[in-house]
Amino acid sequence: DGGITQSPKYLFRKEGQNVTLSCEQNLNHDAMYWYRQDPGQGLRLIYYSQIVNDFQKGDIAEGYSVSREKKESFPLTVTSAQKNPTAFYLCASSIKGGYNEQFFGPGTRLTVL
Amino acid sequence: GESVGLHLPTLSVQEGDNSIINCAYSNSASDYFIWYKQESGKGPQFIIDIRSNMDKRQGQRVTVLLNKTVKHLSLQIAATQPGDSAVYFCAESNTGRRALTFGSGTRLQVQP
Repeated sequence: DGGITQSPKYLFRKEGQNVTLSCEQNLNHDAMYWYRQDPGQGLRLIYYSQIVNDFQKGDIAEGYSVSREKKESFPLTVTSAQKNPTAFYLCASSIKGGYNEQFFGPGTRLTVL
Repeated sequence: GESVGLHLPTLSVQEGDNSIINCAYSNSASDYFIWYKQESGKGPQFIIDIRSNMDKRQGQRVTVLLNKTVKHLSLQIAATQPGDSAVYFCAESNTGRRALTFGSGTRLQVQP
């Protein structure tokens, strides 16, 4: 089956620890995205990548980092510099950036204790 | 499931009625719009999209209307079913930003 996978579904970390969230797609899409979702709010863009080895900051990039070494993978690291990391994180991909439907993964719920 | 949208505006409709979910946008340069449905604990699912050179687009049981004059987008769902209960998000994009900007969402509750 083609699609986007995120793992794990639930993740718990202690305050001060870095944590990396996985996102993999087998749709052969060029563009990939990371969003954060908090209760009562829509999705806010963290980082996006139009092509391998290139990525751009979104609206709330502080405290996060990404890499795009392979077309199918776009891992997100939540660093200790992120002040309020507990949230629902969603990864998405699209054929190209901009005017295309984004396909979303199932999300990872990160809780920092 | 995930506690998505605890304080979202809510639209409550009876099963079989038509639903209209509204969305206002502020960027006059926005030229691509999309509606997503999100069920609790899941990622958003694509419903329908529309480009700014169109005013209306229809899908299966859904219609999106775009009014660029007042920067307003609406999603109409015909014969609403219990399975339509979810949070609905509009999103927009433009040539200067090759990523979607999402609205805050509306919760649709369908009463049997």
